[in-house]
Amino acid sequence: SQTIHQWPATLVQPVGSPLSLECTVEGTSNPNLYWYRQAAGRGLQLLFYSVGIGQISSEVPQNLSASRPQDRQFILSSKKLLLSDSGFYLCAWSVERGPYNEQFFGPGTRLTVL
Amino acid sequence: DAKTTQPNSMESNEEEPVHLPCNHSTISGTDYIHWYRQLPSQGPEYVIHGLTSNVNNRMASLAIAEDRKSSTLILHRATLRDAAVYYCILREWGSQGNLIFGKGTKLSVKP
Repeated sequence: SQTIHQWPATLVQPVGSPLSLECTVEGTSNPNLYWYRQAAGRGLQLLFYSVGIGQISSEVPQNLSASRPQDRQFILSSKKLLLSDSGFYLCAWSVERGPYNEQFFGPGTRLTVL
Repeated sequence: DAKTTQPNSMESNEEEPVHLPCNHSTISGTDYIHWYRQLPSQGPEYVIHGLTSNVNNRMASLAIAEDRKSSTLILHRATLRDAAVYYCILREWGSQGNLIFGKGTKLSVKP
C-alpha cells in the first residue's frame, strides 16, 4: 500500500532563517507530487507540482522553492523565511489514471515563523 | 478550471442526512466534479467524484444536476467524525492533475 510521509510535523522558525521540509512517498512509482500551503483561516493554495525527477512547476511566485532529487522525494525550501510563510504545508501525490486523478495528502507540517 | 460556489458553513444533527450544495454554472463538458474533505488539522481526503451520472460509494453519494451546473454531496447519516470542511472542485479531463481548492463548506455536526 502507498504511504506519504512529511517531516517535521511542527516547526517554529525565526524570520530570515532557512527552511527545508521533506516529503517522501512509498509504494508507488513516478507519482505526481504537490506542495500546498494553507494559511490560517484560508483555503489550500497550490505552491509547486512535479511530474518527474527534476521537473518543477511553480504556481505562485514567492521566496519558496521546490526540488525533486529522487522519484519519490519532494523538498520545499526557503533561504530566508518571512512572517507570511507561516501556515500548514501539505504534500500530496497522485498517479495519472486517465480522467480520474485522486490526490493523497500527507499529514502536513505546521510552520510558525516568528 | 471552472469556478465553484459553496456555502461557507452548514450545520447538521448527528445521524441525520446532510446535503452539501455546490454551484458550477461555468462547467465545461470535460470537467469532472470532485469532492474532498479536510478534517481539523489534517490534510484533505478524497470523498467522491463524478461526471454526469449520480455516484455512490461507502462515504457518500453525489447527485449531479441534469445540466451539470450544480451538484450535491449527500452524507446519508452524519456522524461527529464527519465534521470537516468539504471542498467541491472541478478538474478538466486530461489536465496535469492540479486541484484548485476554494474555501469550501465547513460542516458542523451536533450530537
